[in-house]
Amino acid sequence: KNQVEQSPQSLIILEGKNCTLQCNYTVSPFSNLRWYKQDTGRGPVSLTIMTFSENTKSNGRYTATLDADTKQSSLHITASQLSDSASYICVVSDRGSTLGRLYFGRGTQLTVWP
Amino acid sequence: EADIYQTPRYLVIGTGKKITLECSQTMGHDKMYWYQQDPGMELHLIHYSYGVNSTEKGDLSSESTVSRIRTEHFPLTLESARPSHTSQYLCASSEQGLTAPKSYNEQFFGPGTRLTVL
Repeated sequence: KNQVEQSPQSLIILEGKNCTLQCNYTVSPFSNLRWYKQDTGRGPVSLTIMTFSENTKSNGRYTATLDADTKQSSLHITASQLSDSASYICVVSDRGSTLGRLYFGRGTQLTVWP
Repeated sequence: EADIYQTPRYLVIGTGKKITLECSQTMGHDKMYWYQQDPGMELHLIHYSYGVNSTEKGDLSSESTVSRIRTEHFPLTLESARPSHTSQYLCASSEQGLTAPKSYNEQFFGPGTRLTVL
């Protein structure tokens, strides 16, 4: 069964600190993995996308890594800001259909305190 | 910034009412999607469309229906709303697929409609 599991479910950190969010998946055949940021009451916004051949990608203070062998990914946030408070969703796409179906994790709810 | 819009943003209605959630995009994308999301849960695909006059049901069974008469417009309708329909509904669009590797079939999401049925 294609699944995406994220940990931790929630995380509280102080402003300025770093944190790392984890994602494990069983989706096959694998096409790509994305990390989205979803603010409360808003739609998800893409942070990074990685294919099988990419093992790291950065977007400002966000750095995603991918280990396609172990089917794990992480999202590292550096020097957190209050505006980083959001849900971070790991999404994996398969290449087994023309739709390019997406499998969503439940997200990690990050809260940054001043 | 993605150009995909949803209206209304919030809707509170009584049981039995017919409602239509609007979604439009100005990017000329062929594929469009509707997702349902409950608090703290993952997004579930309820409908999708490959293009005009194409609609398909997604993974999660839904009593809603959709139509795709124009490329840019993908409305979702509930004929008779019930409290069990209370949820957030997210619309998304993407370029026509996997033949354009650099696009990664990236989906752009609208802001969502928060529906509450009393």
